[in-house]
Amino acid sequence: ELKVEQNPLFLSMQEGKNYTIYCNYSTTSDRLYWYRQDPGKSLESLFVLLSNGAVKQEGRLMASLDTKARLSTLHITAAVHDLSATYFCAVHQGAQKLVFGQGTRLTINP
Amino acid sequence: DAGVIQSPRHEVTEMGQEVTLRCKPISGHDYLFWYRQTMMRGLELLIYFNNNVPIDDSGMPEDRFSAKMPNASFSTLKIQPSEPRDSAVYFCASSWNLGKRIQYFGAGTRLSVL
Repeated sequence: ELKVEQNPLFLSMQEGKNYTIYCNYSTTSDRLYWYRQDPGKSLESLFVLLSNGAVKQEGRLMASLDTKARLSTLHITAAVHDLSATYFCAVHQGAQKLVFGQGTRLTINP
Repeated sequence: DAGVIQSPRHEVTEMGQEVTLRCKPISGHDYLFWYRQTMMRGLELLIYFNNNVPIDDSGMPEDRFSAKMPNASFSTLKIQPSEPRDSAVYFCASSWNLGKRIQYFGAGTRLSVL
């Protein structure tokens, strides 16, 4: 059974700092997704990582994938308050089924 | 496209009542998913459909839950009878089986069973 684990689960940081969220998964998969969820809202797709060594960046967020280590990272650069949200990674199991991590609740303080 | 549309957005009901949640996927998408999100259990996949056919319902918690997809533009998730432990946010998502296969989520239905 595929397991997806994120750490940390809670992260409080100051504006302007850098930090990384980690996502480990237990079995091989051909793709990994990162989603963002604001409180009381739906999930919004951020990145799709399709191959080993893939790196995607948008604004202050950068995601990478190491399929050999079964590890993805979401790096936040010079955090700003607007990035406060819960971030989920999700891994394909089979053709379409997604298994989600527990989520990392990120709070960025002024 | 308007995205995945779910209704109602909020539902408050009493234990034992029947609850029906509705979902309209993005036009052209051939996969539809129902998820449940709670603080304790996180985001759980309940069931998913491909071309209106249920493919995997192993996440449906028990026989009180049922889901249908009578056509490509409509799906329902029914709970009968409802119980307080069913209180959660229920999300519907849809995707296309080509390309990046991103799942697009609806706004969710927040269900409270009293």
